[in-house]
Amino acid sequence: DSGVTQTPKHLITATGQRVTLRCSPRSGDLSVYWYQQSLDQGLQFLIHYYNGEERAKGNILERFSAQQFPDLHSELNLSSLELGDSALYFCASAPPGAGRNTEAFFGQGTRLTVV
Amino acid sequence: LAKTTQPISMDSYEGQEVNITCSHNNIATNDYITWYQQFPSQGPRFIIQGYKTKVTNEVASLFIPADRKSSTLSLPRVSLSDTAVYYCLVGSPKGSGNTGKLIFGQGTTLQVKP
Repeated sequence: DSGVTQTPKHLITATGQRVTLRCSPRSGDLSVYWYQQSLDQGLQFLIHYYNGEERAKGNILERFSAQQFPDLHSELNLSSLELGDSALYFCASAPPGAGRNTEAFFGQGTRLTVV
Repeated sequence: LAKTTQPISMDSYEGQEVNITCSHNNIATNDYITWYQQFPSQGPRFIIQGYKTKVTNEVASLFIPADRKSSTLSLPRVSLSDTAVYYCLVGSPKGSGNTGKLIFGQGTTLQVKP
């Protein structure tokens, strides 16, 4: 158990709908990263938040948005869903402190199926 | 982040030692090298991290030559349960020009056979 909690574990929704994925980082971690992994694809970096502020963006679609709240949990909002958005969505958290920013702890993911 | 290059796939047999090499020619002075393991439908799991020379933990060893342009993850006596994708990442500490991105490449798919 990495200590990172993602909910829900599974989500089935229809095209055009909007969903929210939730991530609770490990206690004490300030960074939250979001990733998308489609079937047989690599991990695509979406966005990184650090202590409530957006730190970096990857290839995140305009239909997707995220935020990190004062209690450090994060939500990824996916709207106007398309079939191609079906994927595993992972979040990861990382501890503060210099020298270790490539050490992150991943949740078990949310499997999103758009039908 | 420095670009990394790894073999797409490797095969091994149970009980053998497996070495996966990652090239990172443009590694910066402050960059650390980190390896992750990912099983199907699970999130990646941190295996080991190092800066130079050799690092060993209960799971693996990481060898980094003096020029740091490559690194080798060594898995001793693999078992069927070591079948997974292994990712090599290179990144810099916060406050040293870090872009805040944690980028995974395609990784190396290791298949362990009985």
